[in-house]
Amino acid sequence: EPEVTQTPSHQVTQMGQEVILRCVPISNHLYFYWYRQILGQKVEFLVSFYNNEISEKSEIFDDQFSVERPDGSNFTLKIRSTKLEDSAMYFCASSGGRAPTGELFFGEGSRLTVL
Amino acid sequence: AQSVTQLGSHVSVSEGALVLLRCNYSSSVPPYLFWYVQYPNQGLQLLLKYTTGATLVKGINGFEAEFKKSETSFHLTKPSAHMSDAAEYFCAVSVPAAGNKLTFGGGTRVLVKP
Repeated sequence: EPEVTQTPSHQVTQMGQEVILRCVPISNHLYFYWYRQILGQKVEFLVSFYNNEISEKSEIFDDQFSVERPDGSNFTLKIRSTKLEDSAMYFCASSGGRAPTGELFFGEGSRLTVL
Repeated sequence: AQSVTQLGSHVSVSEGALVLLRCNYSSSVPPYLFWYVQYPNQGLQLLLKYTTGATLVKGINGFEAEFKKSETSFHLTKPSAHMSDAAEYFCAVSVPAAGNKLTFGGGTRVLVKP
């Protein structure tokens, strides 16, 4: 069964360092998302991406964040200068179509620890 | 904007007992509603969803949920808990014409006692 894959599963970094989290969405999907979950808190929407551009972003997704689909298969989240509060589980998701009834398929997450 | 409230961050049930997880939503337009499950060290997996039509929806692993517009609720139930149901459960809402963006509740962690 097709699945969303994310790498790395866990990354530890020093504050101020750049981090890139990678995702391979399901191959025929068109919509891509990043969510995050700080330990003990809600799963929060960060950004959605369609047709090679951001379609929506939350207030969390400030200038230190960026997303890219560099090669038609990977979907990356870059955090330019990590802060302690960026420590969280980051989930990538993809969806097959524009219809809002569509299910989001999630990856297993990348745990980011900022020291 | 829409929001989701899950009552009880932790629920403990005995094996074989009823599982009831509560979810209430707020939305200015008729929403689409989802329950996702997260097993330890895994991603989020869809259990079931309500979009339109029948208000009682059945999902995987014997779970079902009923959409009650008058109560703005979408509670998740399973008649008989199994040890393998131990996981965290998330209720989520999306709004038509807002793409597939989901707004999640805070999650309910289920512990199943033998």
